[in-house]
Amino acid sequence: QVQLVESGGGVVQPGRSLRLSCAASGITSSSYGMHWVRQAPGKGLEWVAVIWSDGTNKYYADSVRGRFTISRDNSKNTLYLQMSSLRAEDTAVYYCAYSGYYRPFDSWGQGTLVTVSS
Amino acid sequence: EMVMTQSPATLSVSPGERATLSCRASQSVTTNLAWYQQKPGQAPRLLIYDASTRASGIPARFSGSGSGTEFTLTISSLQSEDFAVYYCQQYNNWPPDTFGQGTKLEI
Repeated sequence: QVQLVESGGGVVQPGRSLRLSCAASGITSSSYGMHWVRQAPGKGLEWVAVIWSDGTNKYYADSVRGRFTISRDNSKNTLYLQMSSLRAEDTAVYYCAYSGYYRPFDSWGQGTLVTVSS
Repeated sequence: EMVMTQSPATLSVSPGERATLSCRASQSVTTNLAWYQQKPGQAPRLLIYDASTRASGIPARFSGSGSGTEFTLTISSLQSEDFAVYYCQQYNNWPPDTFGQGTKLEI
């Protein structure tokens, strides 16, 4: 069973940066994707970004491309989301999630809340 | 761009009754369709994948059907713990992964 634990959320001013982390354990596959999905207060789920297990491919939602960077440190089994030029509309709970290649999301973390406000 | 449309937005059903939730894709996703359940304050949980396969530990009262552009999630006899928000997700044409806007199942 894959376990995911996010951290790094908080209150940040518009235009500033924040880095989220997701510690993963229990991954046995060598081919998988790690995703960030967010959920604004009272809204639905929005996929944000994915990185493949070997780190070669990264994809982003149009809403964050150029501002957010997904990365991973395999030695630490940790996924990151570096968020810059933050906007009020980036306020959301951010979840990390695990999937096989082009597969549904089997496991989710508990989420970390990011609030962008002055 | 792929769009997933769920209906209805809110479904009011009594415990013990049957609930039918719909999800429509703007273009074919074959059977690469998943359903998730989300309760307040919790992360989503995978219920159904490949349109009709229950995920591990999911009760048999949950079933999925459909292919192409039309999909259905059926809960045969609602239990109190089933009242939640349900999302569909296509994983056929991505990125981006695309979620529907959700259906709130209420008592």
